[in-house]
Amino acid sequence: DAKTTQPPSMDCAEGRAANLPCNHSTISGNEYVYWYRQIHSQGPQYIIHGLKNNETNEMASLIITEDRKSSTLILPHATLRDTAVYYCMGPNAGGTSYGKLTFGQGTILTVHP
Amino acid sequence: GAGVSQSPSNKVTEKGKDVELRCDPISGHTALYWYRQSLGQGLEFLIYFQGNSAPDKSGLPSDRFSAERTGGSVSTLTIQRTQQEDSAVYLCASSFRGASNNEQFFGPGTRLTVL
Repeated sequence: DAKTTQPPSMDCAEGRAANLPCNHSTISGNEYVYWYRQIHSQGPQYIIHGLKNNETNEMASLIITEDRKSSTLILPHATLRDTAVYYCMGPNAGGTSYGKLTFGQGTILTVHP
Repeated sequence: GAGVSQSPSNKVTEKGKDVELRCDPISGHTALYWYRQSLGQGLEFLIYFQGNSAPDKSGLPSDRFSAERTGGSVSTLTIQRTQQEDSAVYLCASSFRGASNNEQFFGPGTRLTVL
């Protein structure tokens, strides 16, 4: 499974774009990159996922490098409610096909006024 | 529609007691996952259900832990003879089908404290 590396913490001003990086240099060719976030005392929340192409949804954009060794989650206009721990991972842990998730330490994003 | 629900939200028990944690997945979701999250730690996979079968139980920490799922819906995680190291938030997630490109929807978790 892909081992991921993320910065432990980041700050962002409200209304500005938050760009959260993730390194996943051991990702396999068929392994999706997933992003989840966890707001204090809540269960993890799905944000976005992608394989090779960049993806965008109502929450965020995902930029995956051509070699797929890293990706960046972009929150285009961060709000105070986006303060959370953000996790990047590949769900094919152990070569399974059923999406077993493995979270690391994640990035604590703090959005300030 | 209703999301994944878990009960109880909090459980405090004494060392050596048995506990049961319940998960109600989203209706129609065939895949169900149990995870746990210890204080300040990442997510630890416990078990995966497809329907009522558990093809992957590899994450269960010991034989004190067991889980079942009935009717392709509700799941119960049972911890026997609880130990202090079992204290954690136990999270349940479901997805439409168990696939690597299906998002998982998480419940709010059960916070277990073993005294």
